Amino acid sequence: KAGVTQTPRYLIKTRGQQVTLSCSPISGHRSVSWYQQTPGQGLQFLFEYFSETQRNKGNFPGRFSGRQFSNSRSEMNVSTLELGDSALYLCASSERTAYSPLHFGNGTRLTVT
Amino acid sequence: KNEVEQSPQNLTAQEGEFITINCSYSVGISALHWLQQHPGGGIVSLFMLSSGKKKHGRLIATINIQEKHSSLHITASHPRDSAVYICAVSDDSNQFYFGTGTSLTVIP
Repeated sequence: KAGVTQTPRYLIKTRGQQVTLSCSPISGHRSVSWYQQTPGQGLQFLFEYFSETQRNKGNFPGRFSGRQFSNSRSEMNVSTLELGDSALYLCASSERTAYSPLHFGNGTRLTVT
Repeated sequence: KNEVEQSPQNLTAQEGEFITINCSYSVGISALHWLQQHPGGGIVSLFMLSSGKKKHGRLIATINIQEKHSSLHITASHPRDSAVYICAVSDDSNQFYFGTGTSLTVIP
């Protein structure tokens, strides 16, 4: 099976712009979750989608949003970018059954200038 | 206060040494996860456990639910084990909380 695919790998944006990141889960996985990783804060949970519905949301402002499509692919959007949004954004997919592990993509490194 | 605390933050070991990384958590959990992150960003899930002990090759993970504590052990450490090890917990709503990670360097 192909792994979790995130695109693009690298992205440079300017403050105030918006950005959309994409995540294709492992085939058959219906749960996709998103994470932000920065040197200062470490890994932080953004949100989880399952069957096209947001099931959980971390403590991030409304500028961070996402959606999931019927094929389980997910997108994450950040509007009105700030310098502090520079980070590695990771997505993970799972079967979301009891004790199903997370499978991470390689991440999208976003730099906001 | 962080929901998940890891120690040590940094660890340097000689090849062949036995290594222990500790994780304490303060929330109710459905599962505890040990993750490995190599330079470049990719994260691999090593273990997911809710009780007892799991072993995979030279890696062993244990959890004590009553004490809200888990340990990751690496036996006969090797330079390829050099990575950041992250402890994470998931609660009943599948929300995740992460430790800050332990950076391990194994010297040949």
